[in-house]
Amino acid sequence: QLRLQEAGSGLVKPSQTLSLTCAVSGGSISSGDYSWSWIRQPPGMGLEWIGYIYYSGSTYSNPSLKSRVSMSVDMSQNQFSLKLTSVTAADTAVYYCARGGYNGYPLPFDSWGQGTLVTVSS
Amino acid sequence: QSALTQPATVSGSPGQSITISCTGASSDVIYFDYVSWYQHHPGKAPKLMIYDVTNRPSGVSNRFSGSKSGNTASLTISGLQAEDEADYYCSSYTPSNTYVFGTGTTVTVL
Repeated sequence: QLRLQEAGSGLVKPSQTLSLTCAVSGGSISSGDYSWSWIRQPPGMGLEWIGYIYYSGSTYSNPSLKSRVSMSVDMSQNQFSLKLTSVTAADTAVYYCARGGYNGYPLPFDSWGQGTLVTVSS
Repeated sequence: QSALTQPATVSGSPGQSITISCTGASSDVIYFDYVSWYQHHPGKAPKLMIYDVTNRPSGVSNRFSGSKSGNTASLTISGLQAEDEADYYCSSYTPSNTYVFGTGTTVTVL
């Protein structure tokens, strides 16, 4: 059974960079069958799609975040990562990693991590 | 890209049917038949309930069904049960190779 687990700093200072990783078990990122996504939910608000990455490293991201988002894949560790630069309080959210995204076909987000809360505060 | 519009709340009594709508700001957002629906109980991981407008993943109750008309997609829950009380989000793939979520709907079982 596929399992995704987010990890990273829970507290980030304003203007700094948020860094998260998503460890995948029960399936291989390098199979190329899926894309891998990041999604977040600010407190009291709805879900917001951040972006997805192919196993090859190609990425697509939300236009509203594109200039601040970078994603990468580490196939040796079977994990993928998110970096969000120049964070503000508006980036405080529960961050989820999920399997899904366009991969020759628009796939839904069919498996999700439990989420990790990231707070931006000095 | 603008979020898809959903009603903030929908409620129903046990056994009843309810429908949640999901409307795009412009027709091209839901032009493709790649709308999915997610159930989210607070504090837990969201769960895929419907994909490609009408398809149910294995293990999802057949009380959940999806449909689409023009630029509005809908999720219907039949035979409403207490365990269905949760937040529900639609999502659509867009022509820009991106995804967008709906504003979310809280379902209350009376």
